Amino acid sequence: AQRVTQPEKLLSVFKGAPVELKCNYSYSGSPELFWYVQYSRQRLQLLLRHISRESIKGFTADLNKGETSFHLKKPFAQEEDSAMYYCALSPKGAQKLVFGQGTRLTINP
Amino acid sequence: SAVISQKPSRDICQRGTSLTIQCQVDSQVTMMFWYRQQPGQSLTLIATANQGSEATYESGFVIDKFPISRPNLTFSTLTVSNMSPEDSSIYLCSVVPGLVISEQYFGPGTRLTVT
Repeated sequence: AQRVTQPEKLLSVFKGAPVELKCNYSYSGSPELFWYVQYSRQRLQLLLRHISRESIKGFTADLNKGETSFHLKKPFAQEEDSAMYYCALSPKGAQKLVFGQGTRLTINP
Repeated sequence: SAVISQKPSRDICQRGTSLTIQCQVDSQVTMMFWYRQQPGQSLTLIATANQGSEATYESGFVIDKFPISRPNLTFSTLTVSNMSPEDSSIYLCSVVPGLVISEQYFGPGTRLTVT
């Protein structure tokens, strides 16, 4: 069965400090992995996906197949990064997403 | 992209009753999904709404409890039947305009409270 684990429900860091939101997955094949974000009073939206290897709003995420992880990182946090972050997995060939529990990130001024 | 609206945005219902939630998209989309987000929990996929045929349900969800319709490529409904307090959740509609599953757009959600 597919599973996504985000071990931290809450994460609080100071502005300008580095941020790392952890995500581990359980899947026997080669999944597609994503990070979604939900800002206050806004809808859930796609932040980035591992396939495109892009940096969005200063965030990056590297897929580590050996550790089955897809941690989200940003070197210098900004106050506007405060939001709920969800890691998600799409099993190969399946038209669906499996979400982790989410991490609420708070950036303190 | 796709603009999605859901009705109602919230409701308080009595146990034993049913509520139908509507999801409307401003353009034709390939796939539509229904998710549930229970208090303090993550999003759980209920089913994939298939246009012109029966929905595909995930493990733990059944058609009798969550009947779904999708009469065309821009509209779907989810009914929560014979509600109990455990059904109190946010119900979200999402769509995939093309064929890339990650390009999934979410509706604003319907906050349901069952008393």
